[in-house]
Amino acid sequence: DGGITQSPKYLFRKEGQNVTLSCEQNLNHDAMYWYRQDPGQGLRLIYYSQIVNDFQKGDIAEGYSVSREKKESFPLTVTSAQKNPTAFYLCATYPGVGEQYFGPGTRLTVT
Amino acid sequence: RKEVEQDPGPFNVPEGATVAFNCTYSNSASQSFFWYRQDCRKEPKLLMSVYSSGNEDGRFTAQLNRASQYISLLIRDSKLSDSATYLCVVIGRSYGGSQGNLIFGKGTKLSVKP
Repeated sequence: DGGITQSPKYLFRKEGQNVTLSCEQNLNHDAMYWYRQDPGQGLRLIYYSQIVNDFQKGDIAEGYSVSREKKESFPLTVTSAQKNPTAFYLCATYPGVGEQYFGPGTRLTVT
Repeated sequence: RKEVEQDPGPFNVPEGATVAFNCTYSNSASQSFFWYRQDCRKEPKLLMSVYSSGNEDGRFTAQLNRASQYISLLIRDSKLSDSATYLCVVIGRSYGGSQGNLIFGKGTKLSVKP
């Protein structure tokens, strides 16, 4: 089955620790995105990548980093510099036409 | 003016009611339009694309008004299971900026009551 996998579904970390969220896709889509969603809020773009080995900052990139070494994978690292990391993180892909596809999300809680 | 704007709601309606949401967009060069549905604590899922001529899928009707730069979603005979947040998505070739070319609205919350 083609799709987007995000793991884990729930993640708990202590403040001050870096944490990496996984996003894998087998849809063969070039573009991949990371969004953050806070309760009652819309999606805010963190980073996006339109091709392997290239990525661009979104609207709220501070405190986050990404890599795109393979087409299938676009991991997001939440660093200790991110002031309010607790949120729902969504990975998405886009085939260049039509709609965007979302993974199931990772809910990160930092205490 | 924000690039994509939606009334956040909540819209509280009884079962069986007809409810309509609007979404306005600022870039007249926008090319593709979608409505997504997001359930609580879940990822957004495509509800329907919005075509220039308007389109219908069962109880759902989507309309595009390019002159006034808005899209609409009409839900007839509301069901309890329609309770969700509805996100408007606009895609335009010439947006530029940091987001590539996909812009999400913040969503409109619908709550259908028995």
